[in-house]
Amino acid sequence: GAVVSQHPSRVICKSGTSVKIECRSLDFQATTMFWYRQFPKQSLMLMATSNEGSKATYEQGVEKDKFLINHASLTLSTLTVTSAHPEDSSFYICSARGASDTEAFFGQGTRLTVV
Amino acid sequence: GQNIDQPTEMTATEGAIVQINCTYQTSGFNGLFWYQQHAGEAPTFLSYNVLDGLEEKGRFSSFLSRSKGYSYLLLKELQMKDSASYLCASMDSNYQLIWGAGTKLIIKP
Repeated sequence: GAVVSQHPSRVICKSGTSVKIECRSLDFQATTMFWYRQFPKQSLMLMATSNEGSKATYEQGVEKDKFLINHASLTLSTLTVTSAHPEDSSFYICSARGASDTEAFFGQGTRLTVV
Repeated sequence: GQNIDQPTEMTATEGAIVQINCTYQTSGFNGLFWYQQHAGEAPTFLSYNVLDGLEEKGRFSSFLSRSKGYSYLLLKELQMKDSASYLCASMDSNYQLIWGAGTKLIIKP
């Protein structure tokens, strides 16, 4: 399958700071990127969907000014958690899909801990 | 509406067979995915069904009945490493995935 690389895998940051998470498709052009959040023992919660060159579409309840998503190229999308707080601590996962693909491929995930 | 149901937890014995069921209600249904997720890791793709019937891939098989809104994942010859959560997800006509809460599978020796 196609490879999606997500970085960093773990990050610890202080409350009030911002954290950027990168998601790269290594061997295909990702026309659509999905960003998920997963709290312990819960399923994936879709935060937003982004198409290359367009503004992201956020799910209800997700603050677009707090979770900034940029999908400026066909191989890179970033999620920036701004002014992070302890309640933002979670497992963030991206997935990417090409124009002709049905399956979306997942990155490795990022464990964010805000202290 | 959009809804996915699967059992919260199942227990099985090493070497045995287990079937994990999933029922869905999805507008513009466009296929059903099964993913495996080990604790602390991202999901990994197992199967995709869009037509009725059974698809077999080694020890894992997946079944779909579109008329019944039902799918199952069948795991044979269970191994300890199969202990994980199994996520059922349906795809709608906009290619969006609707995720189930996952079934935690516990394998006992």
